[in-house]
Amino acid sequence: QVQLQESGPGLVKPSETLSLTCTVSSDSIFSDYYWGWIRQPPGKGLEWIGSIYHSGITYYNPSLKSRVTISVDTVKNQFSLRLSSVTAADTALYYCARGGVGSASRWFDPWGQGTLVTVSS
Amino acid sequence: EIVLTQSPATLSLSPGERATLSCRASQSVSRYLAWYQQKPGQAPRLLIYDASNRATGIPARFSGSGSGTDFTLTISSLEPEDFAVYLCQQRNDWPLSITFGQGTRLEIK
Repeated sequence: QVQLQESGPGLVKPSETLSLTCTVSSDSIFSDYYWGWIRQPPGKGLEWIGSIYHSGITYYNPSLKSRVTISVDTVKNQFSLRLSSVTAADTALYYCARGGVGSASRWFDPWGQGTLVTVSS
Repeated sequence: EIVLTQSPATLSLSPGERATLSCRASQSVSRYLAWYQQKPGQAPRLLIYDASNRATGIPARFSGSGSGTDFTLTISSLEPEDFAVYLCQQRNDWPLSITFGQGTRLEIK
């Protein structure tokens, strides 16, 4: 059963860079899926951030594209998110998930448990 | 960007009743729509994909229908564990767009 687990700092200062990692278990990052990041601000809806394939091909939400970098580490079976120049509006529960982009799956399944990142000085 | 509008925002029903939830897209998404269930403190769980296909392990009381811009999630007879938030999601390829609805909260009456 595929499992995903997010990790990273829970507190980031304004203007700094948010960095999170998602570790994939019981599936290979080389499988024919994209791997994605989705966030959910407190009390608000879900927003897709971007997705990556094991080859390094990436797709980003146009609204965040200028600040987002998603990378993959095939040795560690992980993929990572970097979001630069953060503000309080970037405070959210950040999820990683399999799928969403590409031909293998239009849908996100499964999801990690999520990690709360707060932007505050 | 394709906007998904879910209605109602909140639905109050009793166990054993039938629930009907709606998701409307601002433009056609063909049958490329999914439904998720989200409980407090948990990640979303995929219920339905491609408008009407149940994901692995999802009970038969959950069904989806629709195409184009109008979609429905039906729970035929509510169980206590079904009270949660339900979200819809679409992916459009040209240009690439992945969006979620704001959710319907299904609460116990």
